[in-house]
Amino acid sequence: DAGVTQSPTHLIKTRGQHVTLRCSPISGHKSVSWYQQVLGQGPQFIFQYYEKEERGRGNFPDRFSARQFPNYSSELNVNALLLGDSALYLCASSLVNSGANVLTFGAGSRLTVL
Amino acid sequence: SQKIEQNSEALNIQEGKTATLTCNYTNYSPAYLQWYRQDPGRGPVFLLLIRENEKEKRKERLKVTFDTTLKQSLFHITASQPADSATYLCALDNTGGFKTIFGAGTRLFVKA
Repeated sequence: DAGVTQSPTHLIKTRGQHVTLRCSPISGHKSVSWYQQVLGQGPQFIFQYYEKEERGRGNFPDRFSARQFPNYSSELNVNALLLGDSALYLCASSLVNSGANVLTFGAGSRLTVL
Repeated sequence: SQKIEQNSEALNIQEGKTATLTCNYTNYSPAYLQWYRQDPGRGPVFLLLIRENEKEKRKERLKVTFDTTLKQSLFHITASQPADSATYLCALDNTGGFKTIFGAGTRLFVKA
């Protein structure tokens, strides 16, 4: 069974551009979460979606948006990129059956903003 | 605001010894506390979960304790091996299963 898959694995953008990152969850997982991880820090929570609805939002500006599709895959969009947006963007899927939110992560998308 | 603190300094230990990592939190009452392992360039991998009404949980060479009065969890790796070298992340979430938050992680080096 395939794990959580993310694309692209690496990408380089310039300031002011827009980026779309994609994530496919583990089969049977209906929730997708997005995290930003800067080198040397822990993952920072951006969004969580469950059954196509936003169920949690972290302290990120409105330039960050996401959505979940009927097949439970998800996209993270970042507009007007800043140098500080350079990071590893992690997607994680989970079951969310009213218990703990145990996350299965993908390998991440490494974004570099020049 | 909610805050999770883990030892920012790397932990260096000798092979065969027990590694003990600390996770402290403030302004939060988690229903669950989780520990993950992260290797360089990879996503975190789930290791153990402990509930607020549990004091201790074990899995093979791993042991986690959870003290909701002290707002602290300890993560132990017994008989450590060089392959245990990685960053270990503490994570908290409430019932309902949304918005899991992570600490900064502690880097562990096990020397042969």
